[in-house]
Amino acid sequence: DVKVTQSSRYLVKRTGEKVFLECVQDMDHENMFWYRQDPGLGLRLIYFSYDVKMKEKGDIPEGYSVSREKKERFSLILESASTNQTSMYLCASSLGGPTGYTFGSGTRLTVV
Amino acid sequence: DAKTTQPPSMDCAEGRAANLPCNHSTISGNEYVYWYRQIHSQGPQYIIHGLKNNETNEMASLIITEDRKSSTLILPHATLRDTAVYYCILNFGNEKLTFGTGTRLTIIP
Repeated sequence: DVKVTQSSRYLVKRTGEKVFLECVQDMDHENMFWYRQDPGLGLRLIYFSYDVKMKEKGDIPEGYSVSREKKERFSLILESASTNQTSMYLCASSLGGPTGYTFGSGTRLTVV
Repeated sequence: DAKTTQPPSMDCAEGRAANLPCNHSTISGNEYVYWYRQIHSQGPQYIIHGLKNNETNEMASLIITEDRKSSTLILPHATLRDTAVYYCILNFGNEKLTFGTGTRLTIIP
């Protein structure tokens, strides 16, 4: 089975800190995605990537950036964390085509 | 992407079949219907997808109407572990998934 691993299950950061959320997949998937999930708002796409060094903005990219230097790793960066970025962050990968997506278990980030 | 409409919540008795409806009247000819579910405190999990024909796998069955304007996910023998939020999503098969608010399915003992 494809495994998508997010480096931390829980994180607490201070306002203004630079935060890195790491995601690694082990099945050579082309596509990787970052979502955030908030009560009442569902999952919203932040950024995605179809290949190494490629990135595309999702629906809510403001305040975030991403990095994909290697195929298996997709990092989400909060340049200057703010309290409204407190959320559950979910990473996913897919091979492309109608094969379905595999999600990680999520990182619950609290910005204080 | 075309939009989907799902009931916000449903209950089903344990051991019975759970039938989750999804309306997608503006679906395009080459859009797939995907179903995912999210159990509390976990990431969403792929269940099944289809284009035109009905599909079955070890988890569920997907029934798509002939005009493709609606579909039904069937969990044949629901268990308590099937309690989750179920998402019906349309996708062309090679781009980002857009999640709605889904149906919260509660399996009643």
